[in-house]
Amino acid sequence: QQQVKQSPQSLIVQKGGISIINCAYENTAFDYFPWYQQFPGKGPALLIAIRPDVSEKKEGRFTISFNKSAKQFSLHIMDSQPGDSATYFCAARYPGGGNKLTFGTGTQLKVEL
Amino acid sequence: DGGITQSPKYLFRKEGQNVTLSCEQNLNHDAMYWYRQDPGQGLRLIYYSQIVNDFQKGDIAEGYSVSREKKESFPLTVTSAQKNPTAFYLCASSVSPNAYADTQYFGPGTRLTVL
Repeated sequence: QQQVKQSPQSLIVQKGGISIINCAYENTAFDYFPWYQQFPGKGPALLIAIRPDVSEKKEGRFTISFNKSAKQFSLHIMDSQPGDSATYFCAARYPGGGNKLTFGTGTQLKVEL
Repeated sequence: DGGITQSPKYLFRKEGQNVTLSCEQNLNHDAMYWYRQDPGQGLRLIYYSQIVNDFQKGDIAEGYSVSREKKESFPLTVTSAQKNPTAFYLCASSVSPNAYADTQYFGPGTRLTVL
């Protein structure tokens, strides 16, 4: 049972375009929503994260949009570059201590020249 | 050079053998985690530890065991009871398991192949 559903599974975007990855969740108790970026053969690294009481967070070319009522959040990559080609995972944190995260299934992004 | 070290990078084992994956961190983090990554399934939590000499099962603990005798080390043993052990294993750590928005930092992973 996937607690966080992520789409699309793969995405091809032209250089300079906008990449959009979506995630949806059911458990309204989740209290923190990070996005991780993973390059082939490497471990994931935190990219950007948001709290559920904030509707948008922007860091450079990366923006998270959060819709609490719809239980959805998305990652937008503006001016996508070939160096952004990686796998992106959304995640949600279980409340109550332990810092446990549940991850989406990942989106493989390819940015073409 | 601070970080998380996982060894070996690639590991091959015969079916039915137990194998132990190493994870070491010099970040002075209290919490450590083990995840399994399979194509199309994301990362799934195997075990986590909030403090030395304590650990809890994650979502897919069956067939795995861990220990946390030192703050820096959190080895994972894949036992012969794990039905499908071939996967990419990732270790992570974070400063404090009870701190809000506590970032998990990941190691480079170990790719285990059972022949």
